[in-house]
Amino acid sequence: GAVVSQHPSRVICKSGTSVKIECRSLDFQATTMFWYRQFPKQSLMLMATSNEGSKATYEQGVEKDKFLINHASLTLSTLTVTSAHPEDSSFYICSANWILGNEQFFGPGTRLTVL
Amino acid sequence: QQPVQSPQAVILREGEDAVINCSSSKALYSVHWYRQKHGEAPVFLMILLKGGEQKGHEKISASFNEKKQQSSLYLTASQLSYSGTYFCGTPRSGAGSYQLTFGKGTKLSVIP
Repeated sequence: GAVVSQHPSRVICKSGTSVKIECRSLDFQATTMFWYRQFPKQSLMLMATSNEGSKATYEQGVEKDKFLINHASLTLSTLTVTSAHPEDSSFYICSANWILGNEQFFGPGTRLTVL
Repeated sequence: QQPVQSPQAVILREGEDAVINCSSSKALYSVHWYRQKHGEAPVFLMILLKGGEQKGHEKISASFNEKKQQSSLYLTASQLSYSGTYFCGTPRSGAGSYQLTFGKGTKLSVIP
């Protein structure tokens, strides 16, 4: 149990294009989903908190117009990186909070490369 | 505030033991432990919710000292599969907060 999927696993795009990343909790309902960014050999940095049916909460320094988050249901959240630039290249990971507990489970991550 | 992990890195031979520490300058309500292998997402190991709580997961266990605002992860009789970076995560604010702040990680390398 407690499986979180993420799609795509890798994406390469040209500068200026938009990229959508999906995060799904496959076998449980998640009250809250989180989006993280991780640079090589660094820790996980929380970008935003996504709650089903409401607007996402962004961390300080994260542009909400650039990183659009939609939490359509208790099992799906999407992150759209708009007008991507090379500096947006990173490993993006989502996690989902189990509705009945405190555990947070991570998806497999999406490696974004912007050329 | 980001919890502080120590050591930053450790190299073990198979069968040896290791302890990874996670400490916070503010009150800790819970501690979450994860292991991440290179290029992969973090994998949940365990969560400790109460001061004095100890949990075990095969040969990996952890303790939580609420008063000292710290937690320790114990790896005994290490296996090659234990290699990876271990992160502790602590709630941003309050017991009900699900937003976690992660330490910088401890890189564990187990060699034959």
